[in-house]
Amino acid sequence: GQNIDQPTEMTATEGAIVQINCTYQTSGFNGLFWYQQHAGEAPTFLSYNVLDGLEEKGRFSSFLSRSKGYSYLLLKELQMKDSASYLCAVRDNDYKLSFGAGTTVTVRA
Amino acid sequence: TAGITQAPTSQILAAGRSMTLRCTQDMRHNAMYWYRQDLGLGLRLIHYSNTAGTTGKGEVPDGYSVSRANTDDFPLTLASAVPSQTSVYFCASSDSAGGPETQYFGPGTRLLVL
Repeated sequence: GQNIDQPTEMTATEGAIVQINCTYQTSGFNGLFWYQQHAGEAPTFLSYNVLDGLEEKGRFSSFLSRSKGYSYLLLKELQMKDSASYLCAVRDNDYKLSFGAGTTVTVRA
Repeated sequence: TAGITQAPTSQILAAGRSMTLRCTQDMRHNAMYWYRQDLGLGLRLIHYSNTAGTTGKGEVPDGYSVSRANTDDFPLTLASAVPSQTSVYFCASSDSAGGPETQYFGPGTRLLVL
């Protein structure tokens, strides 16, 4: 099975940077995903990492270290609309996703 | 573009009753999934289907059944609902099970079992 840990809540100021960490212990690894979920809505895809290193997509970047079982999502130039829950998910060798409980990010003016 | 639709949007159900949550996608994706989302627990996989005609059990399959008669539809049935099945249910689909293909999620069904 999978054990995925991420902080429950984070607060940051508009324009700042926030880093959301995710650690995982898995019985198999076939990629790590980050999703964004606004309150009352469906999760939407943000990023995918399968090899070690940094993937950059505009204001959002995601990093993976497979040997450490560690990933982070970096949100730069925070905007009010970035207030949401961020979900870390690991895909196993059977191609099933296991999700962390999510990190609620609150952006303050 | 419809993507994935789910019905109903929300439902109140008496314990012991049966109910089918509907999920339809128009993207011709091979793989489909059902999750439940509960506060503090995140999304948990109930059942999945890698291709039409096949299904598999996820992390929390007890009390639920699925079928995949065609590519587009993946209904989830609660045979005899219990209060612990109160949750938000999300259906998702992906073009293939592996690779960088992400899962696309439907809008969810909010179910309250009394």
